[in-house]
Amino acid sequence: DAMVIQNPRYQVTQFGKPVTLSCSQTLNHNVMYWYQQKSSQAPKLLFHYYDKDFNNEADTPDNFQSRRPNTSFCFLDIRSPGLGDAAMYLCATSLPKTGSDNEQFFGPGTRLTVL
Amino acid sequence: GQSLEQPSEVTAVEGAIVQINCTYQTSGFYGLSWYQQHDGGAPTFLSYNALDGLEETGRFSSFLSRSDSYGYLLLQELQMKDSASYFCAVRGFQTGANNLFFGTGTRLTVIP
Repeated sequence: DAMVIQNPRYQVTQFGKPVTLSCSQTLNHNVMYWYQQKSSQAPKLLFHYYDKDFNNEADTPDNFQSRRPNTSFCFLDIRSPGLGDAAMYLCATSLPKTGSDNEQFFGPGTRLTVL
Repeated sequence: GQSLEQPSEVTAVEGAIVQINCTYQTSGFYGLSWYQQHDGGAPTFLSYNALDGLEETGRFSSFLSRSDSYGYLLLQELQMKDSASYFCAVRGFQTGANNLFFGTGTRLTVIP
């Protein structure tokens, strides 16, 4: 089945230790997104790629970076995780179509714990 | 800026009907989406309204009034498995055509 896969599902890191979260998709969608979701809050968009074009949200901290080496894969790098970065990180994809709903397909998420 | 308002919690009885309201404020508007998220799970798409009126998908319906900047999600014949958080999300000129800005979510609890 076509899907969005995130690895690992649970990630523990130490304060200040760089960590990379990965996302892959078999949907061949143009757009890939990274969201941060803290407990009982809405998903908050960090950035997205439209094909190779990177789009950073204005309020995304510099501590967060992303790479998309090809259509299928996208990575979220947190350079120096702080305690406040503990959250669920969701990857999503979409295939924009004019006049359509632009449904986003979410992966299961990676829950990041910072010690 | 942009904002979305939803009730934080709703409780309803199994088999009943529940309506979750969403009011939004955004510069320009493409459409309003609804997503369901179970605890520990990923958001899943439920419906999308770009035009005024009601969209029906099985037990779920979604309504939009662009003039009132208002929409709602209607869940009929509630089942226990419908207990989840429901997010409205807007696509607007500020978010960009491809992006969604999510509301804070409504936690629905279905009781026997």
